[in-house]
Amino acid sequence: QVQLRESGPGLVKPSETLSLTCNVSGVSISSAYYWGWIRQPPGKGLEWLGSVYHTGTTDYNPSLRSHLAMSLDTSNNQFSLQLTSVTATDTAVYFCVRVLATVRAFDVWGLGTMVTVSS
Amino acid sequence: SYVLTQPPSVSVAPGKTARISCGGNDIESKSVHWYQQKPGQAPVLVIYYDRDRPSGIPARFSGSNSGNTATLTVSRVEAGDEADYYCQVWDSSSDQMVFGGGTKLTVL
Repeated sequence: QVQLRESGPGLVKPSETLSLTCNVSGVSISSAYYWGWIRQPPGKGLEWLGSVYHTGTTDYNPSLRSHLAMSLDTSNNQFSLQLTSVTATDTAVYFCVRVLATVRAFDVWGLGTMVTVSS
Repeated sequence: SYVLTQPPSVSVAPGKTARISCGGNDIESKSVHWYQQKPGQAPVLVIYYDRDRPSGIPARFSGSNSGNTATLTVSRVEAGDEADYYCQVWDSSSDQMVFGGGTKLTVL
């Protein structure tokens, strides 16, 4: 059974960097999937942040591209997100996801982790 | 960028059929996926590739896609189907994943 679990700080100060890791079990991240991040501000809808292919190729949401970085850590079977220069608008639940490469659907989701940006 | 439009809310009586629309320009040329999200939980994929169901999703959930509108249909609605539903596509021209704004399904 494939499982994803997000980890990282729940509180980040404005202008600092938000860093999250997604630990994957039940499948190798080197297999032919994309791995991605989605966020949901409190009471709002879903926003795709970006995806990283098993080869390391990345696709980012254009509105966040200058602040985003995603990478794979194959030795630990996990992938990560870094979002720089955060503001209060980055407060959200962050989900890591597995992406079906052929149709780009998010078929497995982590439980999500709440990140608050506040001083 | 590509825009998906969903109605904010849909209400249906138990046992009836709910239809949730997702509008987008020439959406029939894209693969549409649907997610169910219950309060405090992560979304769950209920329909992918317009009409395919992942294993474990009841056959009461079905999808269609034609013209400028994709539709998620929930037949014989149950109280447990009450949730937010999101459509999503991959816009290959911009290489972006796009979500609709979500529809709250209320079971009366």
